[in-house]
Amino acid sequence: QVQLVQSGGGVVQPGGSLRVSCAASGFAFSNYGMHWVRQAPGRGLEWVAFIRHDGTNKYFGDSVQGRFTMSRDNSKNILYLQMNSLRAEDTAVYYCAKGYGGYDMRDYFDVWGQGTMVTVSS
Amino acid sequence: ESVLTQSPATLSLSPGESATLSCRASESVSSYLAWYQQKPGQAPRLLIYDASNRATGIPARFRGGGSGTDFTLTISSLEPEDFGLYYCQQYTRWPTFGGGTKVEVK
Repeated sequence: QVQLVQSGGGVVQPGGSLRVSCAASGFAFSNYGMHWVRQAPGRGLEWVAFIRHDGTNKYFGDSVQGRFTMSRDNSKNILYLQMNSLRAEDTAVYYCAKGYGGYDMRDYFDVWGQGTMVTVSS
Repeated sequence: ESVLTQSPATLSLSPGESATLSCRASESVSSYLAWYQQKPGQAPRLLIYDASNRATGIPARFRGGGSGTDFTLTISSLEPEDFGLYYCQQYTRWPTFGGGTKVEVK
């Protein structure tokens, strides 16, 4: 079945780095744009980043621009989010999500990963 | 950026009752609006896209409507599994979400 399985996450000190991964199965991963969405504890949803189906274009939310990067390996069906210069306010559950389309961040999310917790604390 | 405002913040209802959730956009998003359901400890689940189209496997009791700046999600005859958080999301530019409506058992 269509599935996104996340790994990584954990506790990191402010200023540190962390990478989370998202393994896709059950669909043609290389045909779809992928997103990261986060949710701070007790808060709502915030879109974080998008990568085009072929990895050529990437877009980031203002709150993470310049600190987070995103990549994908279409040969392995894996999506990555590299988080650098982490701050306390980055503490959240991070979800990978499949976009309905492939080319544009203007998208809705029809499949979600299970989420992975990232805690930034000293 | 289109800001989405959801109301009410909390809806207290009994199983079998009907729920009407509102999502208002600060500027027109045409029909580029989706609705999600989220339960504690779970990822969101897509319910409605393009304002009124049900996602695969979503029961017919979930109905989305509206266009431009005013949207509604109606759940007719609430089932026990329908209680939870609901978010709207627009996708005219970068995606943004509303603050959510909690549907709780009265």
